[in-house]
Amino acid sequence: DTEVTQTPKHLVMGMTNKKSLKCEQHMGHRAMYWYKQKAKKPPELMFVYSYEKLSINESVPSRFSPECPNSSLLNLHLHALQPEDSALYLCASSQDPGQGSAEAFFGQGTRLTVV
Amino acid sequence: AQSVTQPDIHITVSEGASLELRCNYSYGATPYLFWYVQSPGQGLQLLLKYFSGDTLVQGIKGFEAEFKRSQSSFNLRKPSVHWSDAAEYFCAVQGGSEKLVFGKGTKLTVNP
Repeated sequence: DTEVTQTPKHLVMGMTNKKSLKCEQHMGHRAMYWYKQKAKKPPELMFVYSYEKLSINESVPSRFSPECPNSSLLNLHLHALQPEDSALYLCASSQDPGQGSAEAFFGQGTRLTVV
Repeated sequence: AQSVTQPDIHITVSEGASLELRCNYSYGATPYLFWYVQSPGQGLQLLLKYFSGDTLVQGIKGFEAEFKRSQSSFNLRKPSVHWSDAAEYFCAVQGGSEKLVFGKGTKLTVNP
């Protein structure tokens, strides 16, 4: 199983809503990532979890709150988002944090629209 | 900090023609290099990677890439393009941390 599964595939939320994005992998990977991708732009790193601990936060606004309940799951909790937060949110995982040679496997993404 | 430049925003080729997508990186040591492909609205799929050793690496879907240290380049090639290769291609570099940095991407259009 070389899949990273993201749910939901599409999400529309109001600016006062609270929602969560979910990501799951069963490859035994110990690093998990959240990326944000705007249209016609490359993915931008948001957060990195290594061995279930937050290791990198790329100065992301607090309205985005990551959580790693266990080594297979990664959540992104959303609250009070702005329309400019509308984007494709990509989850990825890699085998061994800190081993730069481990390639990242990406999920299909969640298309988020904030209205 | 590492960085990646993909000089070509958009490339159009005819089906059956050869393809080369350019990628230049900046990093103090030998980085780990990757090429990913993304179809519209989809996630990223790894085409190939370079860590060390042979500078010509083979990937999936008939793609290859050559690492040239002297030019700080990692260009992607395919001898004969298929219509299904139309997509966005991203070169990425990873230095000593878990952080993967992407280039701005090259959109490939394939004419019949």
